[in-house]
Amino acid sequence: NAGVTQTPKFQVLKTGQSMTLQCAQDMNHEYMSWYRQDPGMGLRLIHYSVGAGITDQGEVPNGYNVSRSTTEDFPLRLLSAAPSQTSVYFCASSYSGAAGYNEQFFGPGTRLTVL
Amino acid sequence: RKEVEQDPGPFNVPEGATVAFNCTYSNSASQSFFWYRQDCRKEPKLLMSVYSSGNEDGRFTAQLNRASQYISLLIRDSKLSDSATYLCVVRGVIQGAQKLVFGQGTRLTINP
Repeated sequence: NAGVTQTPKFQVLKTGQSMTLQCAQDMNHEYMSWYRQDPGMGLRLIHYSVGAGITDQGEVPNGYNVSRSTTEDFPLRLLSAAPSQTSVYFCASSYSGAAGYNEQFFGPGTRLTVL
Repeated sequence: RKEVEQDPGPFNVPEGATVAFNCTYSNSASQSFFWYRQDCRKEPKLLMSVYSSGNEDGRFTAQLNRASQYISLLIRDSKLSDSATYLCVVRGVIQGAQKLVFGQGTRLTINP
């Protein structure tokens, strides 16, 4: 199993550009989520999904969109990049349909810089 | 007040020492507690869950104090490979739904 994979590993954007961060898992997990990690802030939840076709907002959803058309994939779209979105983005998945009942498996992260 | 607070450190301790971290949480209704480990520039990985009765996994011991709303992690006979950031994680409620809340992490460096 590859586990949770994320692409790209690194990305530099200019203010106003849009892009999609890809996340895929091959463990047949129901629950998937996106976090951003900033210095001194801990991981903060952006969006999550409890199954294909179901998504919901987390703590910091503004400026981001998600969709979940398949169990395996959960892309995160930045609509119009801003310097405040410079961060490390982690995708995670777990067996259960809700957070915290099972171990979260994280992808390797995407380091995004917005100029 | 942050929902989950940790001393960010850094903690610098010699190899073989015992080190302990605390983490406090603000929501008394929180039900599940975890410690994750994150190596430099890597993803977080589950170290251990924290049970009400306390639990041990080799050199690692986790305790929960619901009355004072904190959890702790004790590392005995520390190894160089224990150098990492330790994240306290609590299952809480954000906007009416159960979600995981992460502390900012405590950085630990074990020195030879």
